[in-house]
Amino acid sequence: EAQVTQNPRYLITVTGKKLTVTCSQNMNHEYMSWYRQDPGLGLRQIYYSMNVEVTDKGDVPEGYKVSRKEKRNFPLILESPSPNQTSLYFCASSERKRTDTQYFGPGTRLTVL
Amino acid sequence: GESVGLHLPTLSVQEGDNSIINCAYSNSASDYFIWYKQESGKGPQFIIDIRSNMDKRQGQRVTVLLNKTVKHLSLQIAATQPGDSAVYFCAESGVDSNYQLIWGAGTKLIIKP
Repeated sequence: EAQVTQNPRYLITVTGKKLTVTCSQNMNHEYMSWYRQDPGLGLRQIYYSMNVEVTDKGDVPEGYKVSRKEKRNFPLILESPSPNQTSLYFCASSERKRTDTQYFGPGTRLTVL
Repeated sequence: GESVGLHLPTLSVQEGDNSIINCAYSNSASDYFIWYKQESGKGPQFIIDIRSNMDKRQGQRVTVLLNKTVKHLSLQIAATQPGDSAVYFCAESGVDSNYQLIWGAGTKLIIKP
């Protein structure tokens, strides 16, 4: 089954404790991205990747890191999480470019205390 | 600046009636528009898209209308069903956004039995 998976689905952590949210897609897509979703603000892009070893900042990259060492994986790293990073995070992938239909993962709800 | 907004944050519709969800955009250079549906606890799911060289596009029970004169986009859902309950997002992209999708805040569609 074609899908985007994220882990963990739920995470409660404390300020400053490094964490990684994994994202994996099995559709051989070139384009992957991370979004955060906050009430009233819709989806805001954090980082995106056009292909392996190619990443770029989205609208709200501060406090986040990503890597794209393999085509299928695109982890989101929070080196020192803060409470304002409490949010619902979505990973997405599309075939080639950002305007191809994006397939979203199920989401990761992160709470930073 | 660029913005994509929705006229109504919540829309209540009687089951069986048609639903119309509206979206305004501000960038006349945007040439691609897309609607996503997000059910509770899930990631957004592609519904339908339209390019600026068209003013109407139909899918299964859904129609997207684009009025470039007034920079307005709408999603029409025919014979609304309980399964249509969700938050609906419009998004736009174009050369001015470097073809990044600019997302609206979302409209919640509630189906009354």
